[in-house]
Amino acid sequence: DTEVTQTPKHLVMGMTNKKSLKCEQHMGHRAMYWYKQKAKKPPELMFVYSYEKLSINESVPSRFSPECPNSSLLNLHLHALQPEDSALYLCASSQELGRPIYEQYFGPGTRLTVT
Amino acid sequence: AQSVAQPEDQVNVAEGNPLTVKCTYSVSGNPYLFWYVQYPNRGLQFLLKYITGDNLVKGSYGFEAEFNKSQTSFHLKKPSALVSDSALYFCARDNFNKFYFGSGTKLNVKP
Repeated sequence: DTEVTQTPKHLVMGMTNKKSLKCEQHMGHRAMYWYKQKAKKPPELMFVYSYEKLSINESVPSRFSPECPNSSLLNLHLHALQPEDSALYLCASSQELGRPIYEQYFGPGTRLTVT
Repeated sequence: AQSVAQPEDQVNVAEGNPLTVKCTYSVSGNPYLFWYVQYPNRGLQFLLKYITGDNLVKGSYGFEAEFNKSQTSFHLKKPSALVSDSALYFCARDNFNKFYFGSGTKLNVKP
């Protein structure tokens, strides 16, 4: 099973709302990632978790708060977002960080609209 | 910075013809290179990667890529294009566990 699942598929939220995006994988991968993708642009890395610990934060604003409750789950908590945060949010996983280099497997994404 | 570039925003090819989607990489560091494909409103699907070894890498769905150190390129190729290959293609590079993606190339395969 090489599937990464994400819920919800679509999310519309106001600037004062609090919501969460969820990601799940059952491939036994120990590295998980959050990316942000604007229309017709490449994905941009936001966060990397390794063995359930935050390894990389690409200077993401604090209104985005990641959480890795266990090795299969990755959440992204959203609060006080801005309209420019509207994008496709992609979750990915890979076997682990470091060497050798492993490919990442991506979920279908959550389409977020901030009104 | 260690990065990749995709010089073509769009590539058009007729079904049955060979296709090439171009990717070049900056010289500094180890070139750990990947190709991904993205269909509309979907996540990215892994096609192939070059880490070390043979310069010709074979991947999913009949795609292959050739790592060319002298030209610092990693072009994606397929001998015979299908209409279903129409999608957005991204070249990516691993830089200490961070993936940096090229700007993407939209491939249009016409019947």
